[in-house]
Amino acid sequence: DQQVKQNSPSLSVQEGRISILNCDYTNSMFDYFLWYKKYPAEGPTFLISISSIKDKNEDGRFTVFLNKSAKHLSLHIVPSQPGDSAVYFCAASARWDTPLVFGKGTRLSVIA
Amino acid sequence: DAGITQSPRYKITETGRQVTLMCHQTWSHSYMFWYRQDLGHGLRLIYYSAAADITDKGEVPDGYVVSRSKTENFPLTLESATRSQTSVYFCASLGVSGANVLTFGAGSRLTVL
Repeated sequence: DQQVKQNSPSLSVQEGRISILNCDYTNSMFDYFLWYKKYPAEGPTFLISISSIKDKNEDGRFTVFLNKSAKHLSLHIVPSQPGDSAVYFCAASARWDTPLVFGKGTRLSVIA
Repeated sequence: DAGITQSPRYKITETGRQVTLMCHQTWSHSYMFWYRQDLGHGLRLIYYSAAADITDKGEVPDGYVVSRSKTENFPLTLESATRSQTSVYFCASLGVSGANVLTFGAGSRLTVL
């Protein structure tokens, strides 16, 4: 059974608007949550993370929100840029040194 | 070059052949991982290693063998390749960051005919 779910396989957004990518998880033991970005023919690259003691973390245009009671997190990108077009993976783990469990990914297309 | 490198980047083989995918990291990170990426499945963990000579199974270990005789290397071997093992394979490493931030290699695309 999937522990990390990204229910939207794809998302299309206009340049300059907000992109919101969603992720749900089922394992209540998860304490570390990360977002990775992946371009074609490259490895995933770390984007932003949040631990369970926080409900929000910002890094420039990227903000991750965590709602532990709903077992839901989201990634907001404001403003969206064409270079943000990529596949975004949500990942989670129970401890800092246990393997990350990944969702299936959401393909974001930012249209100029 | 510093970082994490995978080789080969592209490989075509036939069913039943043995294939080894190499992974090398220059940071002396303790933890290393192998994931595979398939359409509709995202990234799934095959094997991981917490240190030299310590390995453990992930979600999809069947048909794969790993070893970790040196901290910097973590090869993945398909002992008898099957078509279902056609995939993109990613190696990753983790240092002591306290935040579980894995750094990934560029990937190895394997096609089994």
